[in-house]
Amino acid sequence: AQSVTQPDIHITVSEGASLELRCNYSYGATPYLFWYVQSPGQGLQLLLKYFSGDTLVQGIKGFEAEFKRSQSSFNLRKPSVHWSDAAEYFCAVVEYGNKLVFGAGTILRVKS
Amino acid sequence: EAQVTQNPRYLITVTGKKLTVTCSQNMNHEYMSWYRQDPGLGLRQIYYSMNVEVTDKGDVPEGYKVSRKEKRNFPLILESPSPNQTSLYFCASSLVMSSYNEQFFGPGTRLTVL
Repeated sequence: AQSVTQPDIHITVSEGASLELRCNYSYGATPYLFWYVQSPGQGLQLLLKYFSGDTLVQGIKGFEAEFKRSQSSFNLRKPSVHWSDAAEYFCAVVEYGNKLVFGAGTILRVKS
Repeated sequence: EAQVTQNPRYLITVTGKKLTVTCSQNMNHEYMSWYRQDPGLGLRQIYYSMNVEVTDKGDVPEGYKVSRKEKRNFPLILESPSPNQTSLYFCASSLVMSSYNEQFFGPGTRLTVL
């Protein structure tokens, strides 16, 4: 079975600072990878996805992620964080069919 | 507006009292699924449905039932809820059961079983 690890449970960054959220996956073949964001009291919104091709993927809200096969990683980045980015972020990989296997999540706090 | 809706959004109940959480999508999606979210565990799939009358177990199906009589609806049934089913539940749907299809999530249902 596939698994996803998000090593950081909480991260705090200052508004305007850069952000990197880590994600490691275990999967033998080329994985289909996703980052979702969950704002307080909201459902999950897809930020970006990687299926194949370019290893740097652009998403919504100014986020990007880089797929590194050698490191089994798919880290999420943003050059300048806004207070509205405070939320919980989930990395996920698709297993057979459509089942998403999620990491435990990283809670992002933004301090002004 | 294309969306996945869930009702109720919040529910407090007692052990053993049957309940149903409804899920409906207006996008004509074939694939629907239920997840539960618990702190430190992320989201785990409970059940999924590839199409009408086709359902299958996910990773944590014990204590839950589902049905798919209509394409748009996928209710989650707890016949005899227990405290360990206290959780945040999400319904999701996608066009078809394919790894390429984005899944759209409902707003969540927070269930507390006393």
